[in-house]
Amino acid sequence: DQQVKQNSPSLSVQEGRISILNCDYTNSMFDYFLWYKKYPAEGPTFLISISSIKDKNEDGRFTVFLNKSAKHLSLHIVPSQPGDSAVYFCAASRRSNRDDKIIFGKGTRLHILP
Amino acid sequence: KAGVTQTPRYLIKTRGQQVTLSCSPISGHRSVSWYQQTPGQGLQFLFEYFSETQRNKGNFPGRFSGRQFSNSRSEMNVSTLELGDSALYLCASSLGGQTKNIQYFGAGTRLSVL
Repeated sequence: DQQVKQNSPSLSVQEGRISILNCDYTNSMFDYFLWYKKYPAEGPTFLISISSIKDKNEDGRFTVFLNKSAKHLSLHIVPSQPGDSAVYFCAASRRSNRDDKIIFGKGTRLHILP
Repeated sequence: KAGVTQTPRYLIKTRGQQVTLSCSPISGHRSVSWYQQTPGQGLQFLFEYFSETQRNKGNFPGRFSGRQFSNSRSEMNVSTLELGDSALYLCASSLGGQTKNIQYFGAGTRLSVL
C-alpha cells in the first residue's frame, strides 16, 4: 500500500514559469512533510519541509502548500530555472514518533525547458 | 564538514554472491538509514540504525541485513544476490533519527547483479 503518491512521473515547464509538483498521502497520522531533490549520480538533498500545524512554508523560490483535509501537498517553484531540472521526492512521517519511518513517494522528474 | 560517504560507488556481482556496502555518516550523526532506489519505485526504506541498534526495518527479505559500529559507521549486506537486487543503494545520516531531523544522503552505491 503506497502511503505517499506522486502521480506525475515527469513534468516539463518553460524556464521562468511556475513549476507545481504534487503529492498525495493516505495516512492522516503524518505530521511532517518534506521535499528532496535529486540530481543524477548524486544523493537526494533536502529542499523544504512543512509541519502539519502550518499550511504554507516558503524558502526563496520554493513554497510548499499543505491541504490536510485533502491529504495533499504541493511544491511551487517560481521562477523555474534550468538548475531545477531534477527528480523531486515527496516524503512524509510522524515526527511525534521517533521509531516511525519516513515514507517517500516515487518521485517526479522535472524538466525545465529553455 | 565532510558529508556522507558511501563506498564503493559501483559494484558488479553475479547471482548468488553476497555483497557488503559501507556508509560513513556525517561526524556527530548517530542515525544511519539505508534505502534502495530502483527505476519507478522511488526510495524504499531498508532499515535505520541508531547508536548501534536497529530502530526500524522496511519490508525486505532477510537476505538484506545491516549493522552499525560504535563510531556510527554502518554496513549493509545482501546475501544470495538476485537480478532484482540491481539498484542504487543510498545511505542517509541524521542527528537524532530520520523522523526527528533532516537526513543527509550519500551519493549511493550502484549495484549491478549479472
